[in-house]
Amino acid sequence: GAGVSQSPRYKVAKRGQDVALRCDPISGHVSLFWYQQALGQGPEFLTYFQNEAQLDKSGLPSDRFFAERPEGSVSTLKIQRTQQEDSAVYLCASSLFSRGGPQHFGDGTRLSIL
Amino acid sequence: AQTVTQSQPEMSVQEAETVTLSCTYDTSESDYYLFWYKQPPSRQMILVIRQEAYKQQNATENRFSVNFQKAAKSFSLKISDSQLGDAAMYFCAYSRSQGNLIFGKGTKLSVKP
Repeated sequence: GAGVSQSPRYKVAKRGQDVALRCDPISGHVSLFWYQQALGQGPEFLTYFQNEAQLDKSGLPSDRFFAERPEGSVSTLKIQRTQQEDSAVYLCASSLFSRGGPQHFGDGTRLSIL
Repeated sequence: AQTVTQSQPEMSVQEAETVTLSCTYDTSESDYYLFWYKQPPSRQMILVIRQEAYKQQNATENRFSVNFQKAAKSFSLKISDSQLGDAAMYFCAYSRSQGNLIFGKGTKLSVKP
């Protein structure tokens, strides 16, 4: 595809359920980033992949959050035992370069935990 | 730790006029990148302009230009000939060697017809 694709666009889950958010980056992009954006705030970094290697997961808020990119393309962000504070927009971005290059963002997944 | 500060939560400009959005940042590194992103209500972050810290020349992209003051750690965005489609949240962002972005809290820009 032409851009970064994220699915689903909206996700509603009950507290305690597990959710999986998908990101399909631009073909050939080396770097992939996940961000969490709370309402009215700027995005905050969660984790970073260079190809299939997860080089930085320092932004993941707890061990309930897990991300993978097994073949260096599509990535999945999984949240286990969801809590209300997990409600946010989750943005995925990809970049052709490993550092400093412009990041291209998807439309995000709005996650609401009831 | 690096931080990005946008001191203007909201700004307003008349169509066809010029507006400047402020951004300051804090870092001890000498090699980094600065960005302005636009986020309309549709949520997609759109890159407006990018500046490499080692370049002294200010970046420009059509009606958008920056005033990069490295010593003062300031990176303001100037939008000339404002258009209705420029209305959005604008985020200033910093990137160090690894590449993840650190964002400010954003400035909501309104454009009046």
